[in-house]
Amino acid sequence: EPEVTQTPSHQVTQMGQEVILRCVPISNHLYFYWYRQILGQKVEFLVSFYNNEISEKSEIFDDQFSVERPDGSNFTLKIRSTKLEDSAMYFCASNGQGPGELFFGEGSRLTVL
Amino acid sequence: SQQGEEDPQALSIQEGENATMNCSYKTSINNLQWYRQNSGRGLVHLILIRSNEREKHSGRLRVTLDTSKKSSSLLITASRAADTASYFCATAGGGSNYKLTFGKGTLLTVNP
Repeated sequence: EPEVTQTPSHQVTQMGQEVILRCVPISNHLYFYWYRQILGQKVEFLVSFYNNEISEKSEIFDDQFSVERPDGSNFTLKIRSTKLEDSAMYFCASNGQGPGELFFGEGSRLTVL
Repeated sequence: SQQGEEDPQALSIQEGENATMNCSYKTSINNLQWYRQNSGRGLVHLILIRSNEREKHSGRLRVTLDTSKKSSSLLITASRAADTASYFCATAGGGSNYKLTFGKGTLLTVNP
């Protein structure tokens, strides 16, 4: 069964460093998303991406964040200068239509020291 | 208050019993979805109910939606130890075409 894959599964970084989280969405999906979950808290929407551009973003998704689909398969989230409060589990998701069922990856745990 | 609030926050039952979790929301919705998350893992979609639907079934799952009360319930019948997980409701709509707004979740523990 097709699945969303994410790498790395866990990344530890120093405050101020740049981080890139990678995702391979399901191949025939058109909509791509990043969500995050701070330990013990809600899953929060960061950004949606469709037709090679951001379709919607949350207040969390400030200038320190960017997304890219560099080729036909990868979808990346970059955090330019990490802060302690960026420590969270980051989930990539994809689907074939905007407001429908989302298919999530297993997540990338980011720890900022 | 937040969109998509589940109750109870935690529920502990014995195997074979039914588990009911509730979700309330604030804004208008296009659909409401339920997801499951095992500890430290990704979210798995369980069921989607559209705003014009009132009830939906999938295997041992039954979801209801009351748009007048802005609430939904998830019933898991004949629970199993493997159903132990966190369950989240998530709403689509409220002026957004893409974003899902998740609740805080219900931690379900099914004791063998």
